[in-house]
Amino acid sequence: EIVLTQSPGTLSLSPGERATLSCRASQSVSSSYLAWYQQKPGQAPRLLIYGASSRATGIPDRFSGSGSGTDFTLTISRLEPEDFAVYYCQQYGSSPTTFGQGTKVEIK
Amino acid sequence: EVQLVQSGAEVKKPGESLKISCKGSGYSFTSYWIGWVRQMPGKGLEWMGIIYPGDSDTRYSPSFQGQVTISADKSISTAYLQWSSLKASDTAMYYCARLGQPLLGWFDPWGQGTLVTVSS
Repeated sequence: EIVLTQSPGTLSLSPGERATLSCRASQSVSSSYLAWYQQKPGQAPRLLIYGASSRATGIPDRFSGSGSGTDFTLTISRLEPEDFAVYYCQQYGSSPTTFGQGTKVEIK
Repeated sequence: EVQLVQSGAEVKKPGESLKISCKGSGYSFTSYWIGWVRQMPGKGLEWMGIIYPGDSDTRYSPSFQGQVTISADKSISTAYLQWSSLKASDTAMYYCARLGQPLLGWFDPWGQGTLVTVSS
């Protein structure tokens, strides 16, 4: 199975700053089948990005995804107060689908 | 609006059985795979398995094969996750979610989650 490693574990930033989250796969993710989710405390995860770079419906354009092969990035261009949360990546290029362990973006 | 609504929180004892549900609305329930995802307290997301309500084709993660049963009743647009004998280690939040493409895909939308607590 493909193991996804997210870094850093915690990112401490201020509103307005740029956030760069990394997701590295143990093997190449076929067809860039990688998604990103946001989860706030007490809530279900919410899809942000699929296909490595396609934004889900209703997701603001400050969220962007990039990468291919084994290295993927989620960028939040300017952090808004509501963006402080935990972010997970998921690969769905090979079975079983797997998730990263998460990156927490916290207010500095 | 596409929506998945899950059944309420459960408190059970070890050894008891349980079946939780996930009702879909706002789309053709028989045309999309539904998945189940576990989140243990303070931990990350783990894929458990998927079902295609159109014909009840079911696939399990190796980690959960034999531990749970996934089923669906297409007549009432509902998917289920069940245990025959719960353990304390089954304590977790369980989410259902629709797959964005067949068999292997992203999950969207998600249900609100069902908290299962297993304690003697």
